[in-house]
Amino acid sequence: GDSVTQMEGPVTLSEEAFLTINCTYTATGYPSLFWYVQYPGEGLQLLLKATKADDKGSNKGFEATYRKETTSFHLEKGSVQVSDSAVYFCALNSGGSNYKLTFGKGTLLTVNP
Amino acid sequence: GAVVSQHPSWVICKSGTSVKIECRSLDFQATTMFWYRQFPKQSLMLMATSNEGSKATYEQGVEKDKFLINHASLTLSTLTVTSAHPEDSSFYICSARRGLTKNIQYFGAGTRLSVL
Repeated sequence: GDSVTQMEGPVTLSEEAFLTINCTYTATGYPSLFWYVQYPGEGLQLLLKATKADDKGSNKGFEATYRKETTSFHLEKGSVQVSDSAVYFCALNSGGSNYKLTFGKGTLLTVNP
Repeated sequence: GAVVSQHPSWVICKSGTSVKIECRSLDFQATTMFWYRQFPKQSLMLMATSNEGSKATYEQGVEKDKFLINHASLTLSTLTVTSAHPEDSSFYICSARRGLTKNIQYFGAGTRLSVL
């Protein structure tokens, strides 16, 4: 079945540091890939997505590239801010009539001033 | 746009009682709603998928008689935890998918259930 593995947290960085959160997946066919972010006390929000190989999703300075050869979708940001502190979830969707999502365990990011 | 409201955000109940959690799409019609359960430091586990006007589809290992899901309208789905026990204590999250953005789900803020 489908599965998503993302790096264990928590991750603690200083402001303006470079961020990478690794995500690899196992899926049948050609899944769509997502990063969701959950700020404290809020629901999950879609951060970015990619629907086919070599696509790059980007939003709010975050980027991730769909790498089919390595089955990866690593999240990166060049310069993090305190406001980026949140839990980040990698997820995939293999299609089907209901477009179910399979999530990784989430990575807690804390950015210190 | 695409706001999903979940209520209550936190509920405490006695063992043996039933608890209802509501999930509403505030500014769109949700063709499909999903219910997840999240344990501490664990991934979101999909419990069931519901389409408006039809019976929910439960994931393997989820007791449908214990977790009753109703999706009576395009903007409201409810999850009722029947005869709750301490092991049902968890964080429950709903999401909704609207027809035009098929592979994007919009999430509620979650409900923390504590069964004493």
